[in-house]
Amino acid sequence: EPEVTQTPSHQVTQMGQEVILRCVPISNHLYFYWYRQILGQKVEFLVSFYNNEISEKSEIFDDQFSVERPDGSNFTLKIRSTKLEDSAMYFCASRGVGAGNQPQHFGDGTRLSIL
Amino acid sequence: AQSVTQPDIHITVSEGASLELRCNYSYGATPYLFWYVQSPGQGLQLLLKYFSGDTLVQGIKGFEAEFKRSQSSFNLRKPSVHWSDAAEYFCAVASVTGGGNKLTFGTGTQLKVEL
Repeated sequence: EPEVTQTPSHQVTQMGQEVILRCVPISNHLYFYWYRQILGQKVEFLVSFYNNEISEKSEIFDDQFSVERPDGSNFTLKIRSTKLEDSAMYFCASRGVGAGNQPQHFGDGTRLSIL
Repeated sequence: AQSVTQPDIHITVSEGASLELRCNYSYGATPYLFWYVQSPGQGLQLLLKYFSGDTLVQGIKGFEAEFKRSQSSFNLRKPSVHWSDAAEYFCAVASVTGGGNKLTFGTGTQLKVEL
């Protein structure tokens, strides 16, 4: 079964540095998402992306964050000038199109630790 | 704005016993509802989904859920729990406004299975 893959599985970064989290969505999917889960808290929506542009973003997704689909297979989340509170598990998800509504499929996540 | 409530933070059941995890949602239109499971260190795996039609939906691993509009609930059930079902379970509702179908998650229910 096709999977969403995320790299790296764990990223450790100094506060103030930039990080890029990478995702390879399922190949025929057209909707892409990033969510985060701070330790002990619920999964929160960050951003959705379709047709090479952001379709929706949450209040969390401020100017510090950006997303990009640099080629036909990757979908990245960039966090500029990281802060301690950015430490979380970041999940990528993708969704196909078809009859009715399609579910989102999630990757295994990238654990981001800001020191 | 949509929301999901999972009233039980932790549930412990004996192997072989039946299971019901509660989920209540708030959404202004017909909801698209999902249950995901997360094992330690893993991503979110889709168990089942409800879009329309039959209010009792079957999922993977022997799970089922029943949509009750009058109670705004979508409870997850399994007749006989296996030790491998120990994990965290998340209920989610999809927003069809904003174009992105973002998911709003509940806080999760941690399931422990006693042998």
